[in-house]
Amino acid sequence: DVKVTQSSRYLVKRTGEKVFLECVQDMDHENMFWYRQDPGLGLRLIYFSYDVKMKEKGDIPEGYSVSREKKERFSLILESASTNQTSMYLCASRVAGVDNEQFFGPGTRLTVL
Amino acid sequence: QKEVEQNSGPLSVPEGAIASLNCTYSDRVSQSFFWYRQYSGKSPELIMSIYSNGDKEDGRFTAQLNKASQYVSLLIRDSQPSDSATYLCAVKEGNNRLAFGKGNQVVVIP
Repeated sequence: DVKVTQSSRYLVKRTGEKVFLECVQDMDHENMFWYRQDPGLGLRLIYFSYDVKMKEKGDIPEGYSVSREKKERFSLILESASTNQTSMYLCASRVAGVDNEQFFGPGTRLTVL
Repeated sequence: QKEVEQNSGPLSVPEGAIASLNCTYSDRVSQSFFWYRQYSGKSPELIMSIYSNGDKEDGRFTAQLNKASQYVSLLIRDSQPSDSATYLCAVKEGNNRLAFGKGNQVVVIP
């Protein structure tokens, strides 16, 4: 079974803190994604990566950065957390190719106080 | 980002009935379409994919695609309480990323 894991299910941080969200997949997938999900707004893509050391901005990259130093790990970084970054963060991965299934991790519920 | 619209509000269906969900998309060149199911507090999971016009059946689920009209639908036959969830429509864009609709909540009433 494909497994996508995220470092924390729940996280509480203070405004201005630097926050790291980690995602690891165990199936050698090239493509990895970070989304946030908010009520009424659906899933929005923050950043994605086609392969190691590659990254592309999604639809809402402001206030975030990412790192992909190893194929299995894709990190999302909140440089200076703000209250409007309180959200559910979902990582996903997929084998590169036309129509392969995209698998999601369990999500991290981040609260910024 | 191209638009994926799921406009219906929450859908309540009695157990055993058919639930019908619709999705329209703006990118005429899209070729791949997906339906994800998301239970409350859980992450999305793929339930159906469809690439050609027409119907595709998988158990109690049927996906329908009409590229000329730019819509894709999902039918759930013999709805069960375990089908109560939010259903997300996703469309693959030209840069290989998925564009998601906001989802439709389905509530199956026993």
